[in-house]
Amino acid sequence: AQKITQTQPGMFVQEKEAVTLDCTYDTSDQSYGLFWYKQPSSGEMIFLIYQGSYDEQNATEGRYSLNFQKARKSANLVISASQLGDSAMYFCAMREGGTGFQKLVFGTGTRLLVSP
Amino acid sequence: SAVISQKPSRDICQRGTSLTIQCQVDSQVTMMFWYRQQPGQSLTLIATANQGSEATYESGFVIDKFPISRPNLTFSTLTVSNMSPEDSSIYLCSVEQAYTDTQYFGPGTRLTVL
Repeated sequence: AQKITQTQPGMFVQEKEAVTLDCTYDTSDQSYGLFWYKQPSSGEMIFLIYQGSYDEQNATEGRYSLNFQKARKSANLVISASQLGDSAMYFCAMREGGTGFQKLVFGTGTRLLVSP
Repeated sequence: SAVISQKPSRDICQRGTSLTIQCQVDSQVTMMFWYRQQPGQSLTLIATANQGSEATYESGFVIDKFPISRPNLTFSTLTVSNMSPEDSSIYLCSVEQAYTDTQYFGPGTRLTVL
């Protein structure tokens, strides 16, 4: 079974609007972490936001917020006020089993295109 | 966050040759990870490199094909051996700093094998 599922291969949004990128996960661990990364065409992986399974508040980092619904096992990324520079691939990832020094398992990614 | 550099940033290689990719971090880290991203695909972990011990490889990856060195806490190399066109990928190293919950990635090495 897929550990991380991103069902949207591509998303379009107009500049200045908000967009939600979906991510669902599958784990039997009680302690885990969820990540979102941005990958522009240059290929680098840019860390955006992190949510721990025990965090009660949804994580926020500037224009990025993570809509964490534990019972539904979803960790959607919300980008507010989209900018042209947000056009990129976005990957959701999970680390299982406690904090630190564990590998990340990635979803298949969502390509976001922001139009003027 | 840690500043990570990789060399080379890209290369075009001939079938049957080997390429060594370097990953340098500006601070000491316990674990370094090597990932592969094949064209149009997601990232897959190749191995975890711990200083002073042999790397731990994921299923489907072997040491003879992807030997890894980790001579100190700020540096690691990944060699892609006896390359074939199927090895054409982006190779990324990542690190996780102690007392953080985040893995940071290097800029990647874009490899094309002809």
